[in-house]
Amino acid sequence: AQSVAQPEDQVNVAEGNPLTVKCTYSVSGNPYLFWYVQYPNRGLQFLLKYITGDNLVKGSYGFEAEFNKSQTSFHLKKPSALVSDSALYFCAVRDSWGAGNMLTFGGGTRLMVKP
Amino acid sequence: DSGVTQTPKHLITATGQRVTLRCSPRSGDLSVYWYQQSLDQGLQFLIQYYNGEERAKGNILERFSAQQFPDLHSELNLSSLELGDSALYFCASSATGTGADTQYFGPGTRLTVL
Repeated sequence: AQSVAQPEDQVNVAEGNPLTVKCTYSVSGNPYLFWYVQYPNRGLQFLLKYITGDNLVKGSYGFEAEFNKSQTSFHLKKPSALVSDSALYFCAVRDSWGAGNMLTFGGGTRLMVKP
Repeated sequence: DSGVTQTPKHLITATGQRVTLRCSPRSGDLSVYWYQQSLDQGLQFLIQYYNGEERAKGNILERFSAQQFPDLHSELNLSSLELGDSALYFCASSATGTGADTQYFGPGTRLTVL
């Protein structure tokens, strides 16, 4: 079975400060990890993914994420937050074992960036 | 814009009714997925199709069914609707349906059951 936890319902950060949105996962095989962002009344937009290779993954809009196998984590980071980054962020995992390609999502973390 | 289209955007109906949600994948994508997003259950995978065949099934109720047509568009049919079926239904598509594929999501259909 695969599962994802996002321990923080909300993260508050001041504009210009670095931000981190946390994600931990559990899989039987190797993980494929994804971050998506959802703006109000919009669908999910893909930010970045980790499949294999370099543990630091760079994605859209200046976001990056660090894969840590020993801590089973995949935290999303950005060096300098913008007010426009305020949105709902979802971490998702897919186990390399098993049929199909279903993603299991975390509960989401609301990011609030204040001016 | 992800390239995945969903219709309608909003749907309001009554309990006991049946509705059909439609999804067109990105050009060239062979796999389609359906997800349900609700306040109490979060984002949950319902079902995946690949090139017309069912590939994986998640927490999909027996009252719900889906299919993928030869032109690769997909429909999700929801019947005997209950209040608890009110949710945002997303369609996503990916190129080949393998685990490393990125799934691109449509804007969703918001279903309200009264």
